[in-house]
Amino acid sequence: EVQLVESGGGLVQPGRSLRLSCATSGFTFDEYALNWVRQAPGKGLEWVSGITGDSSNIGYAESVEGRFTISRDSAKKSLYLQMSSLRAEDTAFYYCAKARYCPTAPCPPDYWGRGTLVIVSS
Amino acid sequence: IQLTQSPSSLSASVGDRVTITCRASQGISSYLAWYQQKPGKAPNLLIYAASTLQSGVPSRFSGSGSGTDFTLTISSLQPEDFATYYCHQVNSYPNTFGQGTKLEIK
Repeated sequence: EVQLVESGGGLVQPGRSLRLSCATSGFTFDEYALNWVRQAPGKGLEWVSGITGDSSNIGYAESVEGRFTISRDSAKKSLYLQMSSLRAEDTAFYYCAKARYCPTAPCPPDYWGRGTLVIVSS
Repeated sequence: IQLTQSPSSLSASVGDRVTITCRASQGISSYLAWYQQKPGKAPNLLIYAASTLQSGVPSRFSGSGSGTDFTLTISSLQPEDFATYYCHQVNSYPNTFGQGTKLEIK
Protein backbone atom coordinates (compact mmCIF):
# COMPACT_ATOMS: atom_id res chain seq x y z
CA GLU A 1 0.00 0.00 0.00
CA VAL A 2 1.36 3.40 -0.99
CA GLN A 3 1.73 5.76 1.94
CA LEU A 4 2.94 9.34 2.12
CA VAL A 5 3.21 11.01 5.52
CA GLU A 6 4.13 14.67 5.83
CA SER A 7 5.65 16.27 8.91
CA GLY A 8 7.38 19.45 9.96
CA GLY A 9 4.55 21.94 9.71
CA GLY A 10 3.74 24.47 12.40
CA LEU A 11 3.66 28.13 13.33
CA VAL A 12 6.61 30.17 12.11
CA GLN A 13 7.36 33.89 12.03
CA PRO A 14 7.66 35.78 8.74
CA GLY A 15 11.17 35.70 7.35
CA ARG A 16 12.09 32.47 9.15
CA SER A 17 12.72 29.01 7.73
CA LEU A 18 11.02 25.63 8.02
CA ARG A 19 11.75 22.17 6.62
CA LEU A 20 8.98 19.81 5.64
CA SER A 21 9.50 16.06 5.31
CA CYS A 22 7.50 13.35 3.60
CA ALA A 23 8.13 9.73 4.54
CA THR A 24 7.09 7.29 1.82
CA SER A 25 6.47 3.55 1.56
CA GLY A 26 4.77 1.01 -0.68
CA PHE A 27 6.47 1.83 -3.97
CA THR A 28 9.93 1.77 -5.58
CA PHE A 29 11.07 5.20 -4.44
CA ASP A 30 13.64 5.95 -7.16
CA GLU A 31 11.21 5.28 -10.01
CA TYR A 32 8.72 8.04 -9.32
CA ALA A 33 8.64 11.80 -9.46
CA LEU A 34 7.39 13.51 -6.31
CA ASN A 35 5.70 16.83 -5.79
CA TRP A 36 4.70 19.35 -3.17
CA VAL A 37 1.27 20.93 -3.60
CA ARG A 38 -0.23 23.44 -1.20
CA GLN A 39 -3.69 24.72 -0.42
CA ALA A 40 -4.41 27.81 1.63
CA PRO A 41 -7.47 27.36 3.87
CA GLY A 42 -10.61 27.70 1.76
CA LYS A 43 -8.61 28.26 -1.44
CA GLY A 44 -7.60 26.24 -4.49
CA LEU A 45 -4.68 23.94 -5.15
CA GLU A 46 -1.26 25.40 -5.96
CA TRP A 47 1.57 23.26 -7.32
CA VAL A 48 4.74 24.24 -5.41
CA SER A 49 7.60 22.05 -6.60
CA GLY A 50 8.45 18.75 -8.26
CA ILE A 51 11.46 16.47 -8.59
CA THR A 52 12.00 13.51 -10.91
CA GLY A 53 12.95 10.06 -9.64
CA ASP A 54 16.63 10.52 -10.37
CA SER A 55 16.61 14.19 -9.24
CA SER A 56 17.73 15.25 -12.74
CA ASN A 57 14.83 17.62 -13.25
CA ILE A 58 13.47 19.99 -10.62
CA GLY A 59 10.84 22.69 -10.92
CA TYR A 60 9.36 25.41 -8.76
CA ALA A 61 6.35 27.67 -8.88
CA GLU A 62 7.24 31.29 -9.55
CA SER A 63 5.83 32.20 -6.14
CA VAL A 64 8.49 30.14 -4.32
CA GLU A 65 11.41 30.17 -6.77
CA GLY A 66 14.60 31.17 -4.95
CA ARG A 67 13.07 30.67 -1.48
CA PHE A 68 12.15 26.97 -1.44
CA THR A 69 14.35 23.96 -2.19
CA ILE A 70 13.08 20.46 -2.90
CA SER A 71 15.21 17.38 -2.35
CA ARG A 72 14.86 13.63 -1.89
CA ASP A 73 16.81 10.93 -0.07
CA SER A 74 16.70 7.48 -1.61
CA ALA A 75 18.12 5.72 1.45
CA LYS A 76 15.44 7.21 3.68
CA LYS A 77 12.71 7.09 1.00
CA SER A 78 11.87 10.63 1.92
CA LEU A 79 11.05 13.91 0.22
CA TYR A 80 11.89 17.31 1.67
CA LEU A 81 10.96 20.93 1.19
CA GLN A 82 13.27 23.52 2.69
CA MET A 83 11.37 26.78 2.97
CA SER A 84 13.10 30.06 3.74
CA SER A 85 12.13 33.73 3.84
CA LEU A 86 8.61 32.63 4.66
CA ARG A 87 5.73 35.02 4.06
CA ALA A 88 2.17 35.20 5.32
CA GLU A 89 0.97 34.09 1.88
CA ASP A 90 2.87 30.80 2.29
CA THR A 91 0.32 29.79 4.95
CA ALA A 92 -1.31 26.60 3.69
CA PHE A 93 -1.68 22.87 3.98
CA TYR A 94 1.31 21.31 2.21
CA TYR A 95 0.71 17.97 0.51
CA CYS A 96 3.32 15.50 -0.65
CA ALA A 97 2.19 13.74 -3.83
CA LYS A 98 3.62 10.84 -5.81
CA ALA A 99 3.42 10.99 -9.60
CA ARG A 100 1.68 8.23 -11.46
CA TYR A 101 3.87 6.00 -13.63
CA CYS A 102 3.75 6.92 -17.31
CA PRO A 103 6.43 5.20 -19.41
CA THR A 104 7.13 7.93 -21.92
CA ALA A 105 5.57 11.12 -20.63
CA PRO A 106 5.13 13.30 -17.55
CA CYS A 107 2.36 12.11 -15.30
CA PRO A 108 0.26 13.74 -12.57
CA PRO A 109 0.12 12.70 -8.92
CA ASP A 110 -1.98 9.67 -8.09
CA TYR A 111 -1.28 9.33 -4.36
CA TRP A 112 -1.31 12.11 -1.83
CA GLY A 113 -0.48 12.45 1.84
CA ARG A 114 -2.87 13.99 4.34
CA GLY A 115 -0.93 17.24 4.43
CA THR A 116 0.84 19.31 7.06
CA LEU A 117 -0.25 22.81 8.02
CA VAL A 118 2.20 25.70 7.86
CA ILE A 119 1.13 28.98 9.43
CA VAL A 120 3.32 32.01 8.85
CA SER A 121 2.44 34.68 11.37
CA SER A 122 4.05 36.93 13.96
CA ILE B 1 1.24 28.06 -18.27
CA GLN B 2 -2.05 29.37 -16.90
CA LEU B 3 -5.14 27.17 -16.74
CA THR B 4 -8.58 28.80 -16.76
CA GLN B 5 -11.55 26.71 -15.72
CA SER B 6 -15.17 27.53 -16.45
CA PRO B 7 -17.51 27.83 -14.83
CA SER B 8 -16.11 28.64 -11.38
CA SER B 9 -19.25 27.21 -9.82
CA LEU B 10 -22.12 25.16 -11.06
CA SER B 11 -25.47 24.05 -9.64
CA ALA B 12 -26.90 20.81 -10.96
CA SER B 13 -29.24 17.99 -10.04
CA VAL B 14 -28.73 14.26 -9.60
CA GLY B 15 -28.90 12.65 -13.03
CA ASP B 16 -27.77 15.76 -14.92
CA ARG B 17 -25.00 15.73 -17.51
CA VAL B 18 -22.32 18.24 -16.57
CA THR B 19 -19.34 19.62 -18.50
CA ILE B 20 -16.42 21.61 -17.09
CA THR B 21 -13.89 23.23 -19.39
CA CYS B 22 -10.21 24.03 -18.90
CA ARG B 23 -8.26 26.30 -21.23
CA ALA B 24 -4.46 26.49 -21.23
CA SER B 25 -2.61 29.69 -22.07
CA GLN B 26 -0.38 27.71 -24.43
CA GLY B 27 -0.39 24.26 -25.93
CA ILE B 28 0.17 21.37 -23.51
CA SER B 29 -0.43 18.43 -25.85
CA SER B 30 -2.45 15.93 -23.80
CA TYR B 31 -0.62 16.44 -20.51
CA LEU B 32 -3.70 17.35 -18.55
CA ALA B 33 -5.32 15.70 -15.55
CA TRP B 34 -8.57 16.19 -13.67
CA TYR B 35 -9.04 15.88 -9.90
CA GLN B 36 -12.01 15.76 -7.57
CA GLN B 37 -11.62 17.17 -4.07
CA LYS B 38 -14.05 16.96 -1.17
CA PRO B 39 -13.77 19.15 1.95
CA GLY B 40 -10.98 18.12 4.28
CA LYS B 41 -9.64 15.50 1.88
CA ALA B 42 -6.71 15.26 -0.51
CA PRO B 43 -7.51 15.47 -4.23
CA ASN B 44 -8.50 12.29 -6.05
CA LEU B 45 -7.17 11.67 -9.58
CA LEU B 46 -9.98 11.07 -12.07
CA ILE B 47 -8.45 11.48 -15.53
CA TYR B 48 -4.88 11.70 -16.81
CA ALA B 49 -3.42 12.21 -20.29
CA ALA B 50 -6.56 14.27 -21.03
CA SER B 51 -8.83 11.28 -21.58
CA THR B 52 -7.55 8.20 -19.71
CA LEU B 53 -9.70 7.11 -16.81
CA GLN B 54 -7.75 6.39 -13.62
CA SER B 55 -8.25 2.89 -12.26
CA GLY B 56 -11.27 2.64 -9.98
CA VAL B 57 -12.95 5.82 -11.23
CA PRO B 58 -16.55 5.34 -12.40
CA SER B 59 -17.12 5.36 -16.17
CA ARG B 60 -19.57 8.27 -15.91
CA PHE B 61 -16.46 10.47 -15.80
CA SER B 62 -14.77 11.22 -19.12
CA GLY B 63 -12.23 13.68 -20.45
CA SER B 64 -11.38 15.04 -23.86
CA GLY B 65 -9.25 17.61 -25.60
CA SER B 66 -5.69 18.38 -26.58
CA GLY B 67 -3.55 21.42 -27.14
CA THR B 68 -5.25 24.23 -25.25
CA ASP B 69 -8.89 23.19 -24.76
CA PHE B 70 -10.07 20.39 -22.51
CA THR B 71 -13.31 19.17 -21.00
CA LEU B 72 -14.40 16.98 -18.11
CA THR B 73 -17.85 15.46 -18.47
CA ILE B 74 -19.92 13.67 -15.87
CA SER B 75 -22.62 11.82 -17.76
CA SER B 76 -25.15 11.35 -14.96
CA LEU B 77 -24.47 13.11 -11.67
CA GLN B 78 -24.56 11.03 -8.52
CA PRO B 79 -24.89 12.42 -4.98
CA GLU B 80 -21.23 11.64 -4.23
CA ASP B 81 -20.07 13.75 -7.20
CA PHE B 82 -20.81 17.08 -5.56
CA ALA B 83 -17.32 18.41 -4.91
CA THR B 84 -14.70 20.77 -6.34
CA TYR B 85 -12.93 19.81 -9.57
CA TYR B 86 -9.48 20.95 -10.71
CA CYS B 87 -7.57 20.60 -13.95
CA HIS B 88 -3.78 20.21 -13.72
CA GLN B 89 -1.13 20.44 -16.43
CA VAL B 90 2.11 18.46 -16.27
CA ASN B 91 3.44 19.39 -19.70
CA SER B 92 6.38 21.29 -18.26
CA TYR B 93 7.68 22.79 -15.04
CA PRO B 94 6.25 24.73 -13.39
CA ASN B 95 3.16 22.57 -13.35
CA THR B 96 -0.07 24.45 -12.63
CA PHE B 97 -3.67 23.92 -11.50
CA GLY B 98 -6.83 25.58 -12.65
CA GLN B 99 -8.68 27.70 -10.09
CA GLY B 100 -11.31 25.02 -9.48
CA THR B 101 -14.99 24.45 -10.25
CA LYS B 102 -17.33 23.95 -7.32
CA LEU B 103 -20.20 21.63 -8.21
CA GLU B 104 -23.19 22.12 -5.94
CA ILE B 105 -26.57 20.50 -5.59
CA LYS B 106 -29.45 22.45 -7.14
